Amino acid sequence: AQSVTQPDIHITVSEGASLELRCNYSYGATPYLFWYVQSPGQGLQLLLKYFSGDTLVQGIKGFEAEFKRSQSSFNLRKPSVHWSDAAEYFCAVGERTGGFKTIFGAGTRLFVKA
Amino acid sequence: DAGVTQSPTHLIKTRGQQVTLRCSPKSGHDTVSWYQQALGQGPQFIFQYYEEEERQRGNFPDRFSGHQFPNYSSELNVNALLLGDSALYLCASSLVGQGFSYGYTFGSGTRLTVV
Repeated sequence: AQSVTQPDIHITVSEGASLELRCNYSYGATPYLFWYVQSPGQGLQLLLKYFSGDTLVQGIKGFEAEFKRSQSSFNLRKPSVHWSDAAEYFCAVGERTGGFKTIFGAGTRLFVKA
Repeated sequence: DAGVTQSPTHLIKTRGQQVTLRCSPKSGHDTVSWYQQALGQGPQFIFQYYEEEERQRGNFPDRFSGHQFPNYSSELNVNALLLGDSALYLCASSLVGQGFSYGYTFGSGTRLTVV
């Protein structure tokens, strides 16, 4: 079965510093991969997605992610973090079995310090 | 363009009771998925509805059931509530023809507390 692992429960970075959130997945075929962000009390918002092609994908809010098949990873990066980026970040893998189902990791909480 | 609308936003129920949560998908979307998000956890897939039928189901007991209406809106029903059912219930809509192309659009969720 497909699974997603986010090794870091929470991360704290200083405003203006770079950010990398880790994600590892387990999937037999070429995965559909996503990063979502969730602000407190809110639903999830799609940041970016990878299906195929260029392994470096750009998303909204200045985020990017790199797909590395050899490492089964899809890490999220941002060169300079803003205080408004503080939120919960979820990596997810899409599974196509009849319909389309998305499986989420447990999430990484990002704290931004001034 | 309205996004996904869920109601109610908060709900408190007693163990053993039944609850119905509602979701209106984003305009133009025809598929609704329901997720349960316990505190500190990622969303867990409950089921997905398309063309008024349950198309996929996650690892949830039969106490969890759903329905999709001709206007694509959906309900999630939970019977015989347990304390462990306390969670944020998220509705996500999509367009089946797009597959994963645009991901899901999520609602803000219904916070269910079982006491």
